[in-house]
Amino acid sequence: VQLVESGGGLVKSGGSLRLSCVASGFVFSDSDMNWVRQAPGKGLEWVSSISGSSRYIVYADSIKGRFFISRDNAQRSVYLQMDSLTIEDTAVYYCAKKTSDYFTLEDWGRGTLVTVSS
Amino acid sequence: FMLTQPHSVSESPGKTITISCTRNSGNIASNYVQWYQQRPGSSPTNMIFEDNQRPSGVPDRFSGSIDSSSNSAFLTISGLRTEDEADYYCQSYDGNKHWVFGGGTKLTVL
Repeated sequence: VQLVESGGGLVKSGGSLRLSCVASGFVFSDSDMNWVRQAPGKGLEWVSSISGSSRYIVYADSIKGRFFISRDNAQRSVYLQMDSLTIEDTAVYYCAKKTSDYFTLEDWGRGTLVTVSS
Repeated sequence: FMLTQPHSVSESPGKTITISCTRNSGNIASNYVQWYQQRPGSSPTNMIFEDNQRPSGVPDRFSGSIDSSSNSAFLTISGLRTEDEADYYCQSYDGNKHWVFGGGTKLTVL
């Protein structure tokens, strides 16, 4: 299993960014995918989940209405569109695969760093 | 709900340590608890799922449990090694399928 995130970078407060995660090594369309972030020196914070069919999408309250998750199973990719960014959104963003049967994140990417400046 | 972990713990090599994860509302047994290890500069790795199950490849020095009386989950690491030095996070979920992480515990193996 391999998950490779991209799209991070430096953006000004109020700006937008789109993260991508390309997956390989498993049946992507059968797998729920998640985004989890980690601010510098801080703990893990779950951001959003999307089911294999995109039928079920869930967001953390902290980003609801500003971030939007989507996926393209043909491209084996999951995306996170981030709008109205604030300094508090500065973090490493990880793409993570949920196990099929359990509420567990069994595989993680290496993350992509998003830095929001004032 | 929230999951509260001690900020840091420390112990000597060869010893046993237990890290707690306390749920502030709702029953700890209502939703399974998972544990992740994050070494410095690395991504998290799942160490325990469904309260006490170990993924293949995780040493049996790692074990998980829950205690309803304290409304807490526990990660126990026996035979501590310097390579166990890392941050450990507990994780559960609510009825709306929102994932919840504890604040993390920094383990130092002296």
